[in-house]
This record gives sequence, structure tokens and C-alpha cells, in this order.
Amino acid sequence: KQEVTQIPAALSVPEGENLVLNCSFTDSAIYNLQWFRQDPGKGLTSLLLIQSSQREQTSGRLNASLDKSSGRSTLYIAASQPGDSATYLCAVRGTQGGSEKLVFGKGTKLTVNP
Amino acid sequence: GAVVSQHPSWVICKSGTSVKIECRSLDFQATTMFWYRQFPKQSLMLMATSNEGSKATYEQGVEKDKFLINHASLTLSTLTVTSAHPEDSSFYICSALIAGRPRGEQYFGPGTRLTVT
Repeated sequence: KQEVTQIPAALSVPEGENLVLNCSFTDSAIYNLQWFRQDPGKGLTSLLLIQSSQREQTSGRLNASLDKSSGRSTLYIAASQPGDSATYLCAVRGTQGGSEKLVFGKGTKLTVNP
Repeated sequence: GAVVSQHPSWVICKSGTSVKIECRSLDFQATTMFWYRQFPKQSLMLMATSNEGSKATYEQGVEKDKFLINHASLTLSTLTVTSAHPEDSSFYICSALIAGRPRGEQYFGPGTRLTVT
């Protein structure tokens, strides 16, 4: 059974700092990995999608890496801003019985202080 | 703009009544839709997966007679919470795999906050 762990559970940084969020998964047989952000009381916004054959994806100040063999992914946020404050969720998609399901971590709550 | 919409965004109902939540993919056809619920400070829990025109597949422990899912078209899925009870109060989020978008990239709606009194 796939398990996804995110460390740390919470992180508070001053504005402008570069930071890294970590995600690990137990079963390396994944189809892809997706990073999301969730604001309080809101749905999820997709940030980056990495296919299993890829090593990294970039979007603006965000860079996500994937090391499938070691079961790890990182989300790097450059020059953090107060607007980046949210909960960041990592999710992997495997092939479970022919259906495509996302398995989520519990998230990292990020606070960027002005 | 948003790819997946939900309606209503919040609803309050009395115990014993039924509530319907709509999930729409905007301008795209959704090959598969998912329904999740999320408790405060918890991650998302998958309830069921549905493909257009076929019965939904429910996760273990989810009562299919209580949480009725209908995926009648490629742009609309509905979740009906029947005979709602206070323990059904939660944040319900739908999600879709959109035809024509990167395969395996899932898009989420804004969520519906259900409060049962």
C-alpha cells in the first residue's frame, strides 16, 4: 500500500527566503507525482506535475524534483512571499487495480512572514 | 480560470434531509471524476471514482447508499448525501481528469462546505 509522507508538517519563514518542502513515498512504482497548494477553506490548485520519466518541472519560482528510485520529491520555492502562505500537498498516482488514484500526503503548512 | 466548478460552495441542512452537490468541468470533457471529503486539518480522503455513464466505484468504508454519485455527462457529476447526519458535516471536493490535458493531471473544484445541524 502506497504511503506518502511530507516533512515538515509546518514551516514558518521570513519573506524572501528560499525554502524546500519534502515528500517521500514508499512504492516507487508511480505513474506521476503532483504538487498542489490549498488555501484555507478552498479546493486544491495544481502547481506542478512530474511524470515518472521526468526528473524535474519548473513553473516561475517553483521547482519540483523527482527521484523515483529513492521515493523522494522536493518542492523548491524561491524568494518566498507572504502570498505563498498555504498548505502544500504532494500526491502520487500509481496503478492500483487498473484505476488511477492519487495518494496524498498530509501536507506542509507554510507561513511566510512579511 | 477554474477548470472545475462546484455548487453550492457551502450549504447548511437539517439532520435527515438530503443534499445534492454539483461538480462541473468547464469547457472540457471529464473522462473520470473523483469525490473526496476532507476533515479539518486532515488530508483528502477519496470517497469514490466515477466514469461517465457507468456506476461509481466506492472506496472501502464509504456507504454507496448514503453517498449517491451520478456522472450523467462528460461535464457533470453530482454527489447526493442522503439522510444527512451531523457526522456528515465536512468539506467535499470533486476532481476530474480532463480529456485533452496532460494525462494523469487531476484538477480540483473549489469545494463545498456541508454543515448538518
